[in-house]
Amino acid sequence: AQSVTQLDSHVSVSEGTPVLLRCNYSSSYSPSLFWYVQHPNKGLQLLLKYTSAATLVKGINGFEAEFKKSETSFHLTKPSAHMSDAAEYFCVVTPWGGKLIFGQGTELSVKP
Amino acid sequence: KAGVTQTPRYLIKTRGQQVTLSCSPISGHRSVSWYQQTPGQGLQFLFEYFSETQRNKGNFPGRFSGRQFSNSRSEMNVSTLELGDSALYLCASSLSEDRANGELFFGEGSRLTVL
Repeated sequence: AQSVTQLDSHVSVSEGTPVLLRCNYSSSYSPSLFWYVQHPNKGLQLLLKYTSAATLVKGINGFEAEFKKSETSFHLTKPSAHMSDAAEYFCVVTPWGGKLIFGQGTELSVKP
Repeated sequence: KAGVTQTPRYLIKTRGQQVTLSCSPISGHRSVSWYQQTPGQGLQFLFEYFSETQRNKGNFPGRFSGRQFSNSRSEMNVSTLELGDSALYLCASSLSEDRANGELFFGEGSRLTVL
């Protein structure tokens, strides 16, 4: 069975400091992994995806994530937080042809 | 290019009523999926349609149903509403049949309140 765990329900950073949102997954085979972002009262938007190509994936708005099979992790990072990054972030795993499995979400707050 | 459009955006119903939510995917997208989002349960998959056929279904009771039309527009219906059905219902469309590679494009959701 596949599952995904976001290790922090809430992360707070200061503007200009690095962001780290942690995600661990469980899968019986190599999964596809995604990070989505949801701003208040909006739908979700894809930040980046890993589909067994390069292990370091670059996404939009300066975000990137590294797939580490040995640690079953897919953590999301950004070198310098911006106020507009404040939102909820979802780590998602999916088998081929299957339904998406969402993590519980991490709410990111950015302080001025 | 227009995004995914969900209607209505907000609605209030009472227990026992039924509700129909509509989703118009991005033009050319044939896959539509539905999700329920609540503070307690997070995002949960409801069902997915491709070319008018239901391909996957989540673990929801039979009160939740959906369909897709030949123009790819989709509707979901919830009958005999319960208080716990209060949620944000999100629709997403994708171009690819392959869930592992396809990006999902989400609408802004329909927020249902059941009193």
